[in-house]
Amino acid sequence: SQTIHQWPATLVQPVGSPLSLECTVEGTSNPNLYWYRQAAGRGLQLLFYSVGIGQISSEVPQNLSASRPQDRQFILSSKKLLLSDSGFYLCAWSFYNSPLHFGNGTRLTVT
Amino acid sequence: AQSVTQLDSQVPVFEEAPVELRCNYSSSVSVYLFWYVQYPNQGLQLLLKYLSGSTLVKGINGFEAEFNKSQTSFHLRKPSVHISDTAEYFCAVRALNNTDKLIFGTGTRLQVFP
Repeated sequence: SQTIHQWPATLVQPVGSPLSLECTVEGTSNPNLYWYRQAAGRGLQLLFYSVGIGQISSEVPQNLSASRPQDRQFILSSKKLLLSDSGFYLCAWSFYNSPLHFGNGTRLTVT
Repeated sequence: AQSVTQLDSQVPVFEEAPVELRCNYSSSVSVYLFWYVQYPNQGLQLLLKYLSGSTLVKGINGFEAEFNKSQTSFHLRKPSVHISDTAEYFCAVRALNNTDKLIFGTGTRLQVFP
């Protein structure tokens, strides 16, 4: 069966510091991969999605970037964090028209 | 482009009462529709999905939803809620011609009281 791992679970970072969140999927190959952000009271915002290695689509221009160096690895990064980057970050995977399967999320607090 | 509106940000209800969480969508093309549940500090779990066929869809935990194309709605219902149903519920839409993206509503917080 497929599993998705996301880490760390919580992270506290100062403003201006870099960020790297990692997500990996096991038990499948060539999945679609997604990064969502959930800010308090604002639902889920799609940040990036990828349909293959090195293929990244950005939904919202901002301080973040994503990379897919391997088929089942999806990384969310920032060179310099802003206060507004605080939130709950969720990684997910899917195939074609199947539902998304989510990781347990990373709670990021930028201080 | 697609969009999803969840009109109720919070729905308080007593245990064993029925509940309906409303979801309306906008799309110029046919869509797939989903409901997800999120418990505190966790990821999202799929409750149910509508891809095609019967407009009444049954999901886990006793929830069901009805797809109404004319009203562009996909409301979630449960005839009798439990304390354990307290969570955030998200409606989501995916276009048939662009199955890469899933667009979520802003969520509805269901609070079940004893």
